[in-house]
Amino acid sequence: NAGVTQTPKFRILKIGQSMTLQCTQDMNHNYMYWYRQDPGMGLKLIYYSVGAGITDKGEVPNGYNVSRSTTEDFPLRLELAAPSQTSVYFCASSSGLAGPVGNEQFFGPGTRLTVL
Amino acid sequence: GQQVMQIPQYQHVQEGEDFTTYCNSSTTLSNIQWYKQRPGGHPVFLIQLVKSGEVKKQKRLTFQFGEAKKNSSLHITATQTTDVGTYFCALNHGNQFYFGTGTSLTVIP
Repeated sequence: NAGVTQTPKFRILKIGQSMTLQCTQDMNHNYMYWYRQDPGMGLKLIYYSVGAGITDKGEVPNGYNVSRSTTEDFPLRLELAAPSQTSVYFCASSSGLAGPVGNEQFFGPGTRLTVL
Repeated sequence: GQQVMQIPQYQHVQEGEDFTTYCNSSTTLSNIQWYKQRPGGHPVFLIQLVKSGEVKKQKRLTFQFGEAKKNSSLHITATQTTDVGTYFCALNHGNQFYFGTGTSLTVIP
């Protein structure tokens, strides 16, 4: 199992450009999440999904969009990139099952995005 | 959103010393998770605590959930250089997760 994979690893965008961050998991997890992590800070939830076709806003959704057409993929779309979106983006997944380890989140390696 | 206070923000210790990070919430929690993130890496799940007063150990790491389920702590005994990284607590409210700001641990050999 590859776990959670993200592409690209690094990207530099100009202000106003758009891009899609890709996230794929091969663990058949229902729950998937997108976080951003600013330097020296914790993770902030952008969007999440509890299954294919279902998405919902997290704590900081403005400037982003997501879709979940399959269980495996959960792409994050940035429209009109702004310098405030410079951050490290992490995708994560979990099985969502009840129980002591049901909510364990598995994280991808991250995408480091700079908007200039 | 949920407020999760984590202290201290930074901690420098000599190798062999103990280390503790604390996580506090203003509301009663259903559970709390702990993650470790190595420099340049991604968060890795350590443990989830569910029961009031719960104490769990993983080798030199001891995790505790407060009796009122509003706070939690992670204690590392006799730190090693492999313990370097940032330790985060995370709580979930419904389907959303809220992470603390983390405690960055530096271990001086």
